[in-house]
Amino acid sequence: RKEVEQDPGPFNVPEGATVAFNCTYSNSASQSFFWYRQDCRKEPKLLMSVYSSGNEDGRFTAQLNRASQYISLLIRDSKLSDSATYLCVVNPFEGSARQLTFGSGTQLTVLP
Amino acid sequence: EAQVTQNPRYLITVTGKKLTVTCSQNMNHEYMSWYRQDPGLGLRQIYYSMNVEVTDKGDVPEGYKVSRKEKRNFPLILESPSPNQTSLYFCASSLYGAGEKLFFGSGTQLSVL
Repeated sequence: RKEVEQDPGPFNVPEGATVAFNCTYSNSASQSFFWYRQDCRKEPKLLMSVYSSGNEDGRFTAQLNRASQYISLLIRDSKLSDSATYLCVVNPFEGSARQLTFGSGTQLTVLP
Repeated sequence: EAQVTQNPRYLITVTGKKLTVTCSQNMNHEYMSWYRQDPGLGLRQIYYSMNVEVTDKGDVPEGYKVSRKEKRNFPLILESPSPNQTSLYFCASSLYGAGEKLFFGSGTQLSVL
């Protein structure tokens, strides 16, 4: 089983739609969680950190469910510019910030 | 402008010919790391460095070397490249560690023939 698993998609949604991605992780001791965005063959960029209580940044909402070991990303009112691959990222080691584990990404295409 | 600069952007080489991919950051970050990205596998860490002269293996270090003689530079060295090292490589840095926001370089697409 992969340490971090994501549905690769692709998710094709119309502009204005709401779309949600889930990501599961295997290490229950994982400490910190992130969503990164990556445009085609370009460098990943931090979209948002994921906090235990859930957090929101404009149209984006991130949730953490420790009991079920998954994190989610919700995008409301999708824009064409949201088309990208979304990477789920987990710090799998308790007390360590040396390494992260990246999911292989979920591809989103927002259609006009 | 705060950035991570990686060079070259594209590189085609032949098996066994030593090469170096450079990485430099201007943000005074202590933590630097190298990743490779392959289809379906996500980013996998090759090596990382918590500070000058401190480096450690990531998940896929075989066939790679790194050095951290200065805080700003973290070159990736392939002593004898092989075709299975054909990949998209990213350098990244953060202020103190992997648990913080990572800043990535623009990537190096390496093809080993």
